[in-house]
Amino acid sequence: GIQVEQSPPDLILQEGANSTLRCNFSDSVNNLQWFHQNPWGQLINLFYIPSGTKQNGRLSATTVATERYSLLYISSSQTTDSGVYFCAVESNFGNEKLTFGTGTRLTIIP
Amino acid sequence: SAVISQKPSRDICQRGTSLTIQCQVDSQVTMMFWYRQQPGQSLTLIATANQGSEATYESGFVIDKFPISRPNLTFSTLTVSNMSPEDSSIYLCSAGSAMNTEAFFGQGTRLTVV
Repeated sequence: GIQVEQSPPDLILQEGANSTLRCNFSDSVNNLQWFHQNPWGQLINLFYIPSGTKQNGRLSATTVATERYSLLYISSSQTTDSGVYFCAVESNFGNEKLTFGTGTRLTIIP
Repeated sequence: SAVISQKPSRDICQRGTSLTIQCQVDSQVTMMFWYRQQPGQSLTLIATANQGSEATYESGFVIDKFPISRPNLTFSTLTVSNMSPEDSSIYLCSAGSAMNTEAFFGQGTRLTVV
């Protein structure tokens, strides 16, 4: 099946810093999503981005489908940005089933 | 977007017992899914809940351990049977949207087996 790797696995930053999270996948995809998992375990949808670039406030994402990677940018980090960030993909034959990446644990220090 | 209500949000259960988790979607959806997240790990798909037929299980998951019901297009349940401490995880249900294949998740059920 499709493989999804995220980097870095852990990231510790001062409040106000910028960060870039990367997601590499091993095959063509129909769907790619970025999620933020809060400390209570809930998954928050950030972006639905199978290709192209989207922005939402301090967050933006870019997916280059032909090169099989996606990037999530967080600018001017806040402590509330802490948590685990997952990318998840649906392969071209996935029938809406998502394969999750390994995750990046982000810690923002005041 | 789909709004998904999942309950219970957390539970502590005795080994050998079973727990049923409910998932309610605010609109009719074709596909519903159940995932497990073990402590410190990523999410793994357990099964696809099919309306009107048996669920489709992923490798490593079996119906006897994780029976699933899908009586209609807005509701599904997952039962974790004969629990052991290794079943302590977060369980999440998911459904797609009508517009595209974007997935939305319930708030999760944090299960601890003692």
